[in-house]
Amino acid sequence: EAAVTQSPRNKVTVTGGNVTLSCRQTNSHNYMYWYRQDTGHGLRLIHYSYGAGNLQIGDVPDGYKATRTTQEDFFLLLELASPSQTSLYFCASRDSSYEQYFGPGTRLTVL
Amino acid sequence: GQQVKQSSPSLTVQEGGISILNCDYENDMFDYFAWYKKYPDNSPTLLISVRSNVDKREDGRLTVFLNKSGKHFSLHITASQPEDTAVYLCAAIMNQGGSAKLIFGEGTKLTVSS
Repeated sequence: EAAVTQSPRNKVTVTGGNVTLSCRQTNSHNYMYWYRQDTGHGLRLIHYSYGAGNLQIGDVPDGYKATRTTQEDFFLLLELASPSQTSLYFCASRDSSYEQYFGPGTRLTVL
Repeated sequence: GQQVKQSSPSLTVQEGGISILNCDYENDMFDYFAWYKKYPDNSPTLLISVRSNVDKREDGRLTVFLNKSGKHFSLHITASQPEDTAVYLCAAIMNQGGSAKLIFGEGTKLTVSS
């Protein structure tokens, strides 16, 4: 099974703060994804990537940037955090079989 | 709009019964369909999946049925147990030009009562 790790696991920041969420997968998967989970909305796709240097826009990208520096590492950046971005964030990766594996999640609170 | 939809936010089943979870989708270009299980504040884990060229797939107590003409797929859990209590997310992928994203429904909370 794919190994996907996220850091930090919990983060508290203030409105206007700068936050970077990190994700690493160690199974050489091409695709990586960032989702947010909110009550009443399920999992919503923010950004995704199919390789180092590639970035695709998801369904709820406003207020977020992302960068895929290597095949293993995918970062989600909130440059001016807002309370509406308080959420549980999941990273995931998958290979060509479509089976997608998730990291443990990062809980972000914006005060 | 919601491309993958779970119309029932919750379902309660007696222990030993059959749990039936339903999912509808809008776009007939979807070619992969999956069910994930999720506990509160934990990450989703893949339970079972099918490609669009298959109408049914079984794995132990789990069966996925795909109805392409009705744009509908379902998960049946037989001999339901209290440990099956969780949120179940359906998901689908549409592969367009090499760029594929997994789109999730909002989830159905299954409670198996003993």
